[in-house]
Amino acid sequence: DQQVKQNSPSLSVQEGRISILNCDYTNSMFDYFLWYKKYPAEGPTFLISISSIKDKNEDGRFTVFLNKSAKHLSLHIVPSQPGDSAVYFCAASGSGSARQLTFGSGTQLTVLP
Amino acid sequence: GAGVSQSPSNKVTEKGKDVELRCDPISGHTALYWYRQRLGQGLEFLIYFQGNSAPDKSGLPSDRFSAERTGESVSTLTIQRTQQEDSAVYLCASSPALLSGNTIYFGEGSWLTVV
Repeated sequence: DQQVKQNSPSLSVQEGRISILNCDYTNSMFDYFLWYKKYPAEGPTFLISISSIKDKNEDGRFTVFLNKSAKHLSLHIVPSQPGDSAVYFCAASGSGSARQLTFGSGTQLTVLP
Repeated sequence: GAGVSQSPSNKVTEKGKDVELRCDPISGHTALYWYRQRLGQGLEFLIYFQGNSAPDKSGLPSDRFSAERTGESVSTLTIQRTQQEDSAVYLCASSPALLSGNTIYFGEGSWLTVV
């Protein structure tokens, strides 16, 4: 049973436009959410996070939105750049049974020049 | 060290052989995680160590998999009698403490190919 789902395996966006990557979760014990970026042959690197007490966190071109009632979060990248092309993983953690970091299956973002 | 260090970076082994993968976490990080990513799939949780507490082994796929950690330092992941489906990149990560409010930092992974 996947507790963190990224339903789009891939996304292509034109350079300069907005990229929106989506993530859904099922475990109501999750209270901390993160996005990781992964290039081929490298380990995932942390991008941005959000606590469940917030609904938005912004860092430069990257903004994460959290909708707790819908158990949904999204990552917005604007403007998108070719160097943003990578696999993006959504992850979640919390307390009790949710204390370990659980990852989604990833979305391959391709930013076209 | 500055980051999470994993070795070997690449390993090709014959089916049925045992392999050991090593992880050096960031100094001072009490939590250590092992994940696996098979080709075309997401990150699969394997095992989690936190200080001297009993590890969370709930993600280990079979009894051929085991992991140890000495105190808050090096961890080894051992796969016995490797099978072709064990081929994957094995990622180690560490974090300062229980995750809430902290990020975890990944190593570059150990790429295992079972032939």
